[in-house]
Amino acid sequence: GNSVTQMEGPVTLSEEAFLTINCTYTATGYPSLFWYVQYPGEGLQLLLKATKADDKGSNKGFEATYRKETTSFHLEKGSVQVSDSAVYFCALSVGNAGNMLTFGGGTRLMVKP
Amino acid sequence: DADVTQTPRNRITKTGKRIMLECSQTKGHDRMYWYRQDPGLGLRLIYYSFDVKDINKGEISDGYSVSRQAQAKFSLSLESAIPNQTALYFCATSDWGGTNTGELFFGEGSRLTVL
Repeated sequence: GNSVTQMEGPVTLSEEAFLTINCTYTATGYPSLFWYVQYPGEGLQLLLKATKADDKGSNKGFEATYRKETTSFHLEKGSVQVSDSAVYFCALSVGNAGNMLTFGGGTRLMVKP
Repeated sequence: DADVTQTPRNRITKTGKRIMLECSQTKGHDRMYWYRQDPGLGLRLIYYSFDVKDINKGEISDGYSVSRQAQAKFSLSLESAIPNQTALYFCATSDWGGTNTGELFFGEGSRLTVL
């Protein structure tokens, strides 16, 4: 079956620190990979995505590279801000499953001024 | 106004009661979903619907039922609520543009507490 594993949180950083949130996956077939973000009191929203190996998704200073050889899609940001405090979810979808997403457990990020 | 609206936003109920969570959307999407969020478990799919006459079970459908009354409305029911159904519930929608974009559009969530 399909599964997504994320590093457990919370991750606590100071403003302007470098962020990495690890994500690895197992999938039957060739998945598309996604990062969603959930700000306090809100629903999830798509942050970035990559649909094939070696693709890099990027948005709002965040980046993640689809690594087929290590089955990973780690999220990175060079300099976090307090406004980046949120829960981050890694997810995948496979082939003709359309928009059927399998989510990881989520990682809470807390950025202190 | 939000594109995907859930009601109620918060509900406290007692074991054995029937509960309905409602979702309406103005995005014009055909596909609608109900997810449940529990700490550390991420989101798990309860039911989904690809059009008005289509209902499909997700990975954790036991104890739940749904109704797709119209393209824009998708309701989730708990016929007899139990405490382990205490969770945050999300409705989501998506389009199908011929490619697998994976983008879901979420409501703000309905927090349900079953005592």
